[in-house]
Amino acid sequence: AQKVTQAQTEISVVEKEDVTLDCVYETRDTTYYLFWYKQPPSGELVFLIRRNSFDEQNEISGRYSWNFQKSTSSFNFTITASQVVDSAVYFCALSEGYSSNTGKLIFGQGTTLQVKP
Amino acid sequence: KAGVTQTPRYLIKTRGQQVTLSCSPISGHRSVSWYQQTPGQGLQFLFEYFSETQRNKGNFPGRFSGRQFSNSRSEMNVSTLELGDSALYLCASSLERGGVNTEAFFGQGTRLTVV
Repeated sequence: AQKVTQAQTEISVVEKEDVTLDCVYETRDTTYYLFWYKQPPSGELVFLIRRNSFDEQNEISGRYSWNFQKSTSSFNFTITASQVVDSAVYFCALSEGYSSNTGKLIFGQGTTLQVKP
Repeated sequence: KAGVTQTPRYLIKTRGQQVTLSCSPISGHRSVSWYQQTPGQGLQFLFEYFSETQRNKGNFPGRFSGRQFSNSRSEMNVSTLELGDSALYLCASSLERGGVNTEAFFGQGTRLTVV
């Protein structure tokens, strides 16, 4: 069975601190996709990144970076020099790699990040 | 390019009634998925439609149903509403390339309150 675990329920940091959000996943598939989404108070889930199981390269996008390690089944997300606007709930998600199932996302419980000025 | 549009944004219904929610995907996206978000259960997959056919279904009772039209717009229906159906219902659309869905883009959701 597929499962995504975000052990950190809430994190509070002061602006300009770096913060890492953890994500651990379980799947028996060899082909799968991992995602991170941000949910601000408005409710809409904002797409941040999608990685496939064959691409373990870490990725950096501005202040955001992602560390994918298949050996530990983790896909962690780091925000460098956090800002108040980064305050939101962050979700990690997993989908199978087969066409009929790639439209089904399994979400973790989410991590609420509060960045204080 | 317009994003995913969900209507209505807010809805209050009485227990036992039924409700229909609407979702207009991003132009060109043929896959539409629905999710229920509650504080207790988090984000849970309801179903996915692709080219007017239900392609995948989550573990929800038969009171939850959906459909997709030829223009890819989708509706979901919940019959005989229960208090526990109060939730944020999110719709997502995605492209399919090479038989695989790309990233899903979400609407702002419909907040359903059952009283």
